[in-house]
Amino acid sequence: NAGVTQTPKFQVLKTGQSMTLQCAQDMNHNSMYWYRQDPGMGLRLIYYSASEGTTDKGEVPNGYNVSRLNKREFSLRLESAAPSQTSVYFCASSISGTSAEQYFGPGTRLTVT
Amino acid sequence: AQSVTQPDIHITVSEGASLELRCNYSYGATPYLFWYVQSPGQGLQLLLKYFSGDTLVQGIKGFEAEFKRSQSSFNLRKPSVHWSDAAEYFCAASSGSARQLTFGSGTQLTVLP
Repeated sequence: NAGVTQTPKFQVLKTGQSMTLQCAQDMNHNSMYWYRQDPGMGLRLIYYSASEGTTDKGEVPNGYNVSRLNKREFSLRLESAAPSQTSVYFCASSISGTSAEQYFGPGTRLTVT
Repeated sequence: AQSVTQPDIHITVSEGASLELRCNYSYGATPYLFWYVQSPGQGLQLLLKYFSGDTLVQGIKGFEAEFKRSQSSFNLRKPSVHWSDAAEYFCAASSGSARQLTFGSGTQLTVLP
């Protein structure tokens, strides 16, 4: 039982390049989330998927797109990376609902030059 | 707007000393409350959570937290800190109408030998 896995662990992009961050969970959770973590700002929600087939914007969605590929997988895409997107990205999942705890992946450290 | 505030950016304590990390929330109704810990280079791990009932909740690693409705606070405590507790601690909240967590900006804990 691996929990929440993320790939890649590290990535360096040039401004304007695109990439997709992958996330998978093996806990049969319904809800999945993408956060970014920046120094002094805690974690901020980018997008979430309350259940398979649905996605919604979070606090900071601009510049990102997501795909809930199936119940297990939730990807985050940067179409045209900008230096402001340099951050650590975390994927999380929960059974469902606001009372359920979220389980986090190990993170992807992204640098955009 | 809903928010979570952690007033202390950085706290230093000696090993064996007691610890209290502060968290205040601003929500229309009492939210669900969580404390997470993040070790360097790692994802977030849930320490404890409060939904309702007993206002003193016990968590893992010897941590506890007390919910005080009158002060809109959910402070984390530990009677005797160990060197391995050095990490960053995040308070988070979610409300019934939303499905995402709102995080505080985090408190970095340093433990002196």
